[in-house]
Amino acid sequence: DVKVTQSSRYLVKRTGEKVFLECVQDMDHENMFWYRQDPGLGLRLIYFSYDVKMKEKGDIPEGYSVSREKKERFSLILESASTNQTSMYLCASSFSPAGTRNTEAFFGQGTRLTVV
Amino acid sequence: AQTVTQSQPEMSVQEAETVTLSCTYDTSESDYYLFWYKQPPSRQMILVIRQEAYKQQNATENRFSVNFQKAAKSFSLKISDSQLGDAAMYFCAYRSPSNYGGSQGNLIFGKGTKLSVKP
Repeated sequence: DVKVTQSSRYLVKRTGEKVFLECVQDMDHENMFWYRQDPGLGLRLIYFSYDVKMKEKGDIPEGYSVSREKKERFSLILESASTNQTSMYLCASSFSPAGTRNTEAFFGQGTRLTVV
Repeated sequence: AQTVTQSQPEMSVQEAETVTLSCTYDTSESDYYLFWYKQPPSRQMILVIRQEAYKQQNATENRFSVNFQKAAKSFSLKISDSQLGDAAMYFCAYRSPSNYGGSQGNLIFGKGTKLSVKP
């Protein structure tokens, strides 16, 4: 079975802390994504990566950074957590669409982060 | 830039009845992909159905079907014989073809429709 695993389902951190959210996929997907989900706003893309060490900013990258040292792992980093980063974070992965069709994204179970 | 609009924040349906969730999108591309995802209270996002824009035939997956109107840029989801387990948030999503604007398969989501199923 296809699997995307996020390291934590729930996380509580203090303002100013450095926070790491980890995501691992076992499908050999080229693409990996981090989304933020807030009520009434849907899913908004923070960053995505289409290859090891490659990254692109999404719609709301401010306050976040990412790391992809291995193909299967994509980390989201909050350098200095703030209360407005309290949210649900979803990781996803997919095959590269180049030369293929119909490549939907597979999602992790989400991390609900609370910054106090 | 592409946008996806779901105009119904909440919907309700009686068990065993049929419900249709609306989705419209805006794009200047001719080839693209559309998806409906379901997110139950467990939070796991699950693919319900997909549609390729180059296909005229509407996609169907068991009780789920779509009405894809390319000219109108409309992509609605019909759930027949609704079941209690269908209660969830439903998201419509759009994906560009490869390498458009530097994106590599990024999904653009609507804001979601919360579906309740009454017993």
